[in-house]
Amino acid sequence: AQSVTQLGSHVSVSEGALVLLRCNYSSSVPPYLFWYVQYPNQGLQLLLKYTSAATLVKGINGFEAEFKKSETSFHLTKPSAHMSDAAEYFCAVSGTGGGNKLTFGTGTQLKVEL
Amino acid sequence: EAGVAQSPRYKIIEKRQSVAFWCNPISGHATLYWYQQILGQGPKLLIQFQNNGVVDDSQLPKDRFSAERLKGVDSTLKIQPAKLEDSAVYLCASSLASTIQYFGAGTRLSVL
Repeated sequence: AQSVTQLGSHVSVSEGALVLLRCNYSSSVPPYLFWYVQYPNQGLQLLLKYTSAATLVKGINGFEAEFKKSETSFHLTKPSAHMSDAAEYFCAVSGTGGGNKLTFGTGTQLKVEL
Repeated sequence: EAGVAQSPRYKIIEKRQSVAFWCNPISGHATLYWYQQILGQGPKLLIQFQNNGVVDDSQLPKDRFSAERLKGVDSTLKIQPAKLEDSAVYLCASSLASTIQYFGAGTRLSVL
């Protein structure tokens, strides 16, 4: 069984500040890990993915995440927040086997303030 | 390249009524997924198709939900009869051979 836990349902940062969204996973097999972003009234858009290659993964819009097996974490970061980053962010896990079933966390709403 | 298309975008029905959602995946994508996203929660997989066959429907409430993917392209998700707790956004996603799933904008269902 696989699961992810996102710490903090709401995160607020100032524009230009560091963004850190936390995700911890649980998986009985080597995981694939994902971060998706969801803007209001839109579907989910893939930010980045980890599929057992480099542990530091760079995604779109300046986001990156680091896979840390020892901490079972896959936290999402961005050095400098922009107003346009305000959205809901979901961490998800799938197994490396067939099927690609995604199990999502409960999401973190990011608010960016002036 | 066109993305995943879903319709309708919004639907309001009364409990015990029936409703259907339609999804057209990205051209050539063999795998199609339906997710249910209840307000304040992450999406939950309802059913996964590989071409026109079901791969996983373990979390589909089969007494009221049904889905089909005739000819391995478009898909329809139906709820009959609807309950209040079915109020959610229903997301369709598709993928090729890779692990990346591409999502549509979803259908927001309100059951009154």
